[in-house]
Amino acid sequence: QQQVKQSPQSLIVQKGGISIINCAYENTAFDYFPWYQQFPGKGPALLIAIRPDVSEKKEGRFTISFNKSAKQFSLHIMDSQPGDSATYFCAARIGGGADGLTFGKGTHLIIQP
Amino acid sequence: NAGVTQTPKFRILKIGQSMTLQCTQDMNHNYMYWYRQDPGMGLKLIYYSVGAGITDKGEVPNGYNVSRSTTEDFPLRLELAAPSQTSVYFCASSRGVLAGADTQYFGPGTRLTVL
Repeated sequence: QQQVKQSPQSLIVQKGGISIINCAYENTAFDYFPWYQQFPGKGPALLIAIRPDVSEKKEGRFTISFNKSAKQFSLHIMDSQPGDSATYFCAARIGGGADGLTFGKGTHLIIQP
Repeated sequence: NAGVTQTPKFRILKIGQSMTLQCTQDMNHNYMYWYRQDPGMGLKLIYYSVGAGITDKGEVPNGYNVSRSTTEDFPLRLELAAPSQTSVYFCASSRGVLAGADTQYFGPGTRLTVL
């Protein structure tokens, strides 16, 4: 049973546009929701994360929107740049849980110049 | 700081062979993790450790073993390699699980092929 569902699988956005990736979760015990960025041949790197006590978090061009009642969260990349082309993973973790992250399947984002 | 380092970068195994994937972190993190990444499937947790001498199973532990004798090292052992273990393996570490300490830092990965 997939506990974190991510969509779309792939996304093509024009340079300067807004990239939006969505995730939905099932386990209400999750209380930490990070987004990771992965370039080919590299390990994932934390991009931005949110906890359910806030509905939005912004860091530069990257924003997480969080809807606790709908059990959904999304990543928005404003003014998308070719350097943002990568695979993005949403994830979730049970509060205080030491047992790692549950990842979505990933979104392959391509920003066209 | 080198962060999280993994060796080897690539390896090809024959069915039934064994090997150890090495993982070392120099950030004095207590928590360490092993994930595998299959194409289009995201990352799945294999094993994790909350400190030296303490390990526990994740979502997909079958066919693997781990040990944690020091804070820095967390090797992953494959005893009888099978084609289903063809994957990219990532090691990660974090300082803790409470807010402000729970960022997981990933190594560069080991790409394993079992033929």
